[in-house]
Order: sequence, then structure tokens, then C-alpha cells
Amino acid sequence: GESVGLHLPTLSVQEGDNSIINCAYSNSASDYFIWYKQESGKGPQFIIDIRSNMDKRQGQRVTVLLNKTVKHLSLQIAATQPGDSAVYFCAEKASARQLTFGSGTQLTVLP
Amino acid sequence: DSGVTQTPKHLITATGQRVTLRCSPRSGDLSVYWYQQSLDQGLQFLIHYYNGEERAKGNILERFSAQQFPDLHSELNLSSLELGDSALYFCASSASSGVNQPQHFGDGTRLSIL
Repeated sequence: GESVGLHLPTLSVQEGDNSIINCAYSNSASDYFIWYKQESGKGPQFIIDIRSNMDKRQGQRVTVLLNKTVKHLSLQIAATQPGDSAVYFCAEKASARQLTFGSGTQLTVLP
Repeated sequence: DSGVTQTPKHLITATGQRVTLRCSPRSGDLSVYWYQQSLDQGLQFLIHYYNGEERAKGNILERFSAQQFPDLHSELNLSSLELGDSALYFCASSASSGVNQPQHFGDGTRLSIL
């Protein structure tokens, strides 16, 4: 029978450009957020995290921005490379005992 | 390589059967988490063990159970399998019991129910 999959938002960027992936979270009390990258056939790979007492955190080629007013999280990837092509998930610590994951965004890097 | 090892990578079985998925956490990590990733529901939290004890349960069916052994490896047991149980099952580990720290994922077990 026909399988129905998640309709992931997609983002296509030119190699070398910057990418911005957005995520809206649900719980205004969430105090910890994390971004993962998942390549085809692999498990989610930790990229960067941020606590709610911060607005911005930088890693290697990545920056996470947190806007608590509008419950929005973004991941910026500088100088996007072909190896960055993957599905990107945000997750929030919405309860004391578990992370809740978003549905993901498919990033495609064009040559 | 995350350091989390899951076996087997693929499992094909029939409805009504029982399977066991295995996870070895990163060296030094005491927490193990199990997740189910299906096409129509994304990544769903199932259960969390810390140092051998159950810490939290998510949307885990009664047909599913898990345990964490003294050597900290964990097993997820799925019984009376149904077609809808076909999914990727991921294990993740972290250093301590809190959820406000990165979880490091294995590459999953792909379960196909025929």
C-alpha cells in the first residue's frame, strides 16, 4: 500500500551560502534546546545546544539563536557545504523527564 | 561515530513475533534512552533508564519493555508485533540522569514486520 511520510519543510541553498533553519517550540517553560543533524541511514548527530538563560550560542560554523518571546529557535550554518545536506531536528526539554523533537527540516546543498 | 552501538542493524520478522534490540551506551554514560522513528510520527520517546533503573516513560506500548543491565547495556523487547511497529528504533546515551544535556544516538535498528 501507499506509505505516507512526514511532509518535511525543505530548504535548498547554494554551496558556500549561509543556511538558516527555523524551529517553533511549544512550551514557554522549556529551558533547554538542542539541534541534531540526521543523515540518511544514520542516527541523529548532536550539533549544538542552548539553555534558556542564553539568546545565542556559537559553535564551529554553527550558531543557535533563541527567541523566548516568540518561542522560536534557529540554526545558522555558515558557508554551507555538501556534507551539510541532511535532516535537521530541534528538540526542547518540555518536561522534566524527556526531550520533545520537532519533525525536522530537509536541507539540500546545491553545487 | 557517536560511541553508541546498536544491534542488529536490520531485523525482519512477522506479525505476532517477539524481538530484542540491543544497545551499548558510550563509555562512561549512565543513561540510556529509547526512541521510535516512523515515517508518519517522527522521533518519539519511549523510555529512559539511568544506572539500571527506569527514570521516565513516554509513549511506550504495553507490548514493549526495556531493561538496563549492570554493565549498562540496554535491551528493548517488542512482543506481539504488529505491522505498525515497523520503524527505526534508536538508542541514545548521556552521562547523567538529567535531560538537559546532549544525548548521543546510535545508528538504529530498522525493524520490518511482514
